[in-house]
Amino acid sequence: AQRVTQPEKLLSVFKGAPVELKCNYSYSGSPELFWYVQYSRQRLQLLLRHISRESIKGFTADLNKGETSFHLKKPFAQEEDSAMYYCALPWMGGSYIPTFGRGTSLIVHP
Amino acid sequence: NAGVTQTPKFRVLKTGQSMTLLCAQDMNHEYMYWYRQDPGMGLRLIHYSVGEGTTAKGEVPDGYNVSRLKKQNFLLGLESAAPSQTSVYFCASRALAESSYNEQFFGPGTRLTVL
Repeated sequence: AQRVTQPEKLLSVFKGAPVELKCNYSYSGSPELFWYVQYSRQRLQLLLRHISRESIKGFTADLNKGETSFHLKKPFAQEEDSAMYYCALPWMGGSYIPTFGRGTSLIVHP
Repeated sequence: NAGVTQTPKFRVLKTGQSMTLLCAQDMNHEYMYWYRQDPGMGLRLIHYSVGEGTTAKGEVPDGYNVSRLKKQNFLLGLESAAPSQTSVYFCASRALAESSYNEQFFGPGTRLTVL
């Protein structure tokens, strides 16, 4: 069965420090993976998707099929990055049900 | 283009009361979903729909019912509210096409407290 694991519930860093939010997945095929972000008391919104190979707000994520990981990274954290981050498998062949990790709360201290 | 909207934004219920949460989307999306969000539990899927007139159970369906009579609306009902249903409820929608670019679009959430 497909699964997404985010091992850290909370990640606390200081402004300017590097950030890495971990995401591991379990899926037998070739996965598509997304990162969603939820700022305080707001709706979830897409941050980035691996197939686009994009960098959004300084964040990047590389799919590592060997380690089955899709970690989210940013070299220099900003206070406005404080939010809840969810890793997700958005679409599986034959399945309409996205799979979300449990989320990691990132707090960036000034 | 409002995207995904949810009504109401906040609600307080007493145990045993009933209510309906409304989700509406104006993007002509086929798929719609209801999630609940609880601290430490992330997003859990309650029910979902792959088109008008169809619904299916998700991970935590007990105590909830849904209806999708119109493509743009997805209703979540609580027949007899319990304190364990205190949560933030999010609705989401997604386009039909099997494309890896297809993200979910989320509503702003409904904060429900059951006393």
